[in-house]
Amino acid sequence: DQQVKQNSPSLSVQEGRISILNCDYTNSMFDYFLWYKKYPAEGPTFLISISSIKDKNEDGRFTVFLNKSAKHLSLHIVPSQPGDSAVYFCAAGGETNFGNEKLTFGTGTRLTIIP
Amino acid sequence: SQTIHQWPATLVQPVGSPLSLECTVEGTSNPNLYWYRQAAGRGLQLLFYSVGIGQISSEVPQNLSASRPQDRQFILSSKKLLLSDSGFYLCAWSLHRVGSPLHFGNGTRLTVT
Repeated sequence: DQQVKQNSPSLSVQEGRISILNCDYTNSMFDYFLWYKKYPAEGPTFLISISSIKDKNEDGRFTVFLNKSAKHLSLHIVPSQPGDSAVYFCAAGGETNFGNEKLTFGTGTRLTIIP
Repeated sequence: SQTIHQWPATLVQPVGSPLSLECTVEGTSNPNLYWYRQAAGRGLQLLFYSVGIGQISSEVPQNLSASRPQDRQFILSSKKLLLSDSGFYLCAWSLHRVGSPLHFGNGTRLTVT
């Protein structure tokens, strides 16, 4: 059962425009969400996170929106730059018995920025 | 600042051979440690996590095992590799705090032939 879903395996966006990456989840116990960026042959790099008590978090060109009623979150990148071309993973987590942060990851969306 | 080291970067091993991948973290103490695997065209699958020395939790039944002999050292092992063990293995650490992001190493590309 895929609890975190990224239904778009790929996305192409013109340089300078907005990139919107989407993520859906099914487990209502998730209470924080993260986005990671991954280049080939490297480990994922943490980008931005949001707690379930918020509906928006912004960091520079990156903004994450959370719609709890729809169990949906999105990552907006404005303006998109060539260096943003990578695979983006959505991840979700919640407090466990040990306070251990076990994240459930989506399958990723490959973003290509077209110069 | 904290850093995570994972080696080797690439590895080609025959079926039936043993495996040992090592990961160490610097600049923090008592981190949570994780092993993830990314199979071709798939997302990141949690294999093992550890909240302290000698404490290992397994997420999926498999041909692999993990050990944490020291506070900041995490080892992924197998006695006999299968073809299905091929993939991209990632070690990660986090603080003991809800919402703390995971920080990943650069991964090991394992090809079992």
